[in-house]
Amino acid sequence: AQSVTQLGSHVSVSEGALVLLRCNYSSSVPPYLFWYVQYPNQGLQLLLKYTSAATLVKGINGFEAEFKKSETSFHLTKPSAHMSDAAEYFCAVSVWGSQGNLIFGKGTKLSVKP
Amino acid sequence: KAGVTQTPRYLIKTRGQQVTLSCSPISGHRSVSWYQQTPGQGLQFLFEYFSETQRNKGNFPGRFSGRQFSNSRSEMNVSTLELGDSALYLCASSLADGGNYGYTFGSGTRLTVV
Repeated sequence: AQSVTQLGSHVSVSEGALVLLRCNYSSSVPPYLFWYVQYPNQGLQLLLKYTSAATLVKGINGFEAEFKKSETSFHLTKPSAHMSDAAEYFCAVSVWGSQGNLIFGKGTKLSVKP
Repeated sequence: KAGVTQTPRYLIKTRGQQVTLSCSPISGHRSVSWYQQTPGQGLQFLFEYFSETQRNKGNFPGRFSGRQFSNSRSEMNVSTLELGDSALYLCASSLADGGNYGYTFGSGTRLTVV
């Protein structure tokens, strides 16, 4: 079975500061990992995904994440926060053959202070 | 390329009624998954359809059902609505097994049960 833990339900950073959102996963087989962003009253937008190619994955809007198998982590980072990054971020895991079943973390709400 | 389209965006229903939500996937995508999002439970997998067949199902009561048509469009139905069914219902589409290809989400249908 797979599971996802996102450390910190709320993270607040200043504009221009580093964004670091933490995600740890549990999977008995090689996982596929995803980060999604959700703005108020919107669906989920894919930021990036890891599918067993490069361990450092670059996504949209300047975000990137590094897959660390030894630490079972897939933390999301962005060097410089922008006001428009304020949203809720979800880490998710699936495996080959999961047939639509994405397992999501509880989400981290990111606030950006001017 | 059109995204995943969910209709309607908002619905208000009375307890005991039934409701049908619709999802049109990205052209060429044959897998459609449904998720329920609530503040308390987060994002939970309902079911997944591929080529008109339900391949996977989450842990929801039988009041929640779905189907997929030959053009890959999908509907989900909730019968005998309860107050606890109030949620954002999200649909996601993928080429095949989304674990490898990733999932694209729609904007969701906000269901309120009164």
